[in-house]
Amino acid sequence: SSELTQDPAVSVALGQTVRITCQGDSLRYFYASWYQQKPGQAPVLVIYGKNYRPSGIPDRFSGSSSGNTVSLTITGAEAEDEADYYCNSRDTSGYVLFGGGTKLTVL
Amino acid sequence: QVQLQESGPGLVKPSQTLSLTCTVSGDCVSSDNYYCSWIRQPAGKGLEYIGRISSSGSTDYNPSLKSRVTISEGMSKNQFSLELSSVTAADTAVYYCARLYSHSGLDYFDFWGQGTLVTVSS
Repeated sequence: SSELTQDPAVSVALGQTVRITCQGDSLRYFYASWYQQKPGQAPVLVIYGKNYRPSGIPDRFSGSSSGNTVSLTITGAEAEDEADYYCNSRDTSGYVLFGGGTKLTVL
Repeated sequence: QVQLQESGPGLVKPSQTLSLTCTVSGDCVSSDNYYCSWIRQPAGKGLEYIGRISSSGSTDYNPSLKSRVTISEGMSKNQFSLELSSVTAADTAVYYCARLYSHSGLDYFDFWGQGTLVTVSS
């Protein structure tokens, strides 16, 4: 498959932990990155590579990988984490690709 | 810190060519493995990679758009541009320019412009 598949929507209770996943055959061979996008704003890089956070990203955001699945984990979700989240990597032909996005609701 | 700003017409007629410019404060290709890139997002939908340009001027495009896309260096040193030909309503989207890091199986877009809405309509 040349796609990166994400669950369309996920919810989490305030203060709890949530995992957002991205699946694709290419993820066995390429690293992934994760972006947070709030309404009307440009995406913001939150995780890249094995588990690196850009400056200014809270340490409650972390990344992991297993087989054909990469995950973004938010430990202790806050109201401000409510947003769309996109994974990014390559497809099996080596072209840059985004996942379809996951809408995170913080209850 | 790199800052990017998109500019160009907000309305393009069907079958015409969409042209946008990204003005960069700092540089998106000053270091190895960094590229200037374009991404778009139709309203209510996900992100779509359009393509990138390197410091040497080499380009890489999304295969689904390759026949219609040209990314090139801009009129001034701190600009690069996007042209998308033969547009249809399906090309209506917010267009972002961004700095891309790409090396050894890792890609990430670390700095983004605010985006500009381009509507294709007669």
